[in-house]
Amino acid sequence: QQQVKQSPQSLIVQKGGISIINCAYENTAFDYFPWYQQFPGKGPALLIAIRPDVSEKKEGRFTISFNKSAKQFSLHIMDSQPGDSATYFCAASMGSSASKIIFGSGTRLSIRP
Amino acid sequence: GAVVSQHPSRVICKSGTSVKIECRSLDFQATTMFWYRQFPKQSLMLMATSNEGSKATYEQGVEKDKFLINHASLTLSTLTVTSAHPEDSSFYICSARDGTAQETQYFGPGTRLLVL
Repeated sequence: QQQVKQSPQSLIVQKGGISIINCAYENTAFDYFPWYQQFPGKGPALLIAIRPDVSEKKEGRFTISFNKSAKQFSLHIMDSQPGDSATYFCAASMGSSASKIIFGSGTRLSIRP
Repeated sequence: GAVVSQHPSRVICKSGTSVKIECRSLDFQATTMFWYRQFPKQSLMLMATSNEGSKATYEQGVEKDKFLINHASLTLSTLTVTSAHPEDSSFYICSARDGTAQETQYFGPGTRLLVL
């Protein structure tokens, strides 16, 4: 059972455009939703995270939109740059110090110059 | 920010041999460490959760006798792939949870294992 569904699988965006990646979850016990960025041959790095008590969180060019009733959340990358080309993973976990993170399937983002 | 290191970064071994991968938290104490496996163009799959001083908790389908995990200190966890076979070739990534930062997990750079 795939607990966190992510789409699209791949995405091509022109430089300066907006990149949008969507995720949906099933388990209503999840209460922490991080996004990770991974470059080839590297480990994932935390990009931004949100809790379900807010509907939006913005950090620089990156924004998470969260819809608790629909059990969906998305990542928006504004003014996308070639350096943003990477694989992005959404994830979810239940809030405790011992909880594990469930990853989405990933989105390969390419920003065309 | 917090740093997690892995050693080695790449390893090639012959089929049937054992390989040990180290994961270290460099500037914080990690009461919990996680081990993931990532096949090419796929997501990270959790293999096991390791708590300092206790036995690791393995995910369903992961052979505990094949993937030995030791978490002997608050800054070091090791994953040993025993009797490695070509199908074990993968990218192994650890993460460490900072006990003071709740859900924040810091990921290591990964170890590429190739079994010939």
